[in-house]
Amino acid sequence: DTGVSQDPRHKITKRGQNVTFRCDPISEHNRLYWYRQTLGQGPEFLTYFQNEAQLEKSRLLSDRFSAERPKGSFSTLEIQRTEQGDSAMYLCASSSIWSEENYEQYFGPGTRLTVT
Amino acid sequence: RKEVEQDPGPFNVPEGATVAFNCTYSNSASQSFFWYRQDCRKEPKLLMSVYSSGNEDGRFTAQLNRASQYISLLIRDSKLSDSATYLCVVNSGDYKLSFGAGTTVTVRA
Repeated sequence: DTGVSQDPRHKITKRGQNVTFRCDPISEHNRLYWYRQTLGQGPEFLTYFQNEAQLEKSRLLSDRFSAERPKGSFSTLEIQRTEQGDSAMYLCASSSIWSEENYEQYFGPGTRLTVT
Repeated sequence: RKEVEQDPGPFNVPEGATVAFNCTYSNSASQSFFWYRQDCRKEPKLLMSVYSSGNEDGRFTAQLNRASQYISLLIRDSKLSDSATYLCVVNSGDYKLSFGAGTTVTVRA
């Protein structure tokens, strides 16, 4: 399968714990995005990378959130001191700036986070 | 005002029917538009890109009206498998996508 993959698929954690999610984009894609989706809403943009550079961060990304893409391949999203309001589906997407349809983003299966 | 607004539905239609719904967007500078499909508890999947005044892909037709800032999706000859949430998506600059909350379509036998 050469699509976007995410790990873990589900995470249950207690409030106050730290969690880290991983995303592996489509191999030739140099842009990687993180979104968050809550029930009944569309995904909301969090941040994106072009290669290893983090180019934009949403104001939704509080100081407790940090994302990295150290070698321009996979990315991690860490949430520190989780709160119940962090419960959501965290989606990763990727795209290529070299394709004609370089605005098209392809999503991974998501990591569903539940904070108890 | 939300950047992308959609009628949440649900649209409940019989098999074989035609169903259509719209979304509106607020940023007049938006350049790229998409429809994504999302099944329950799954990731969004790209259904169609809408780059010009509109395009057709099989039973699906998307239209863009830049003057009125709305996009429509029409599904002809609905199948049970078309039951899903359809997300209207707009590129709002720097490749960041803005999503509507989705329109739920249920096709019944």
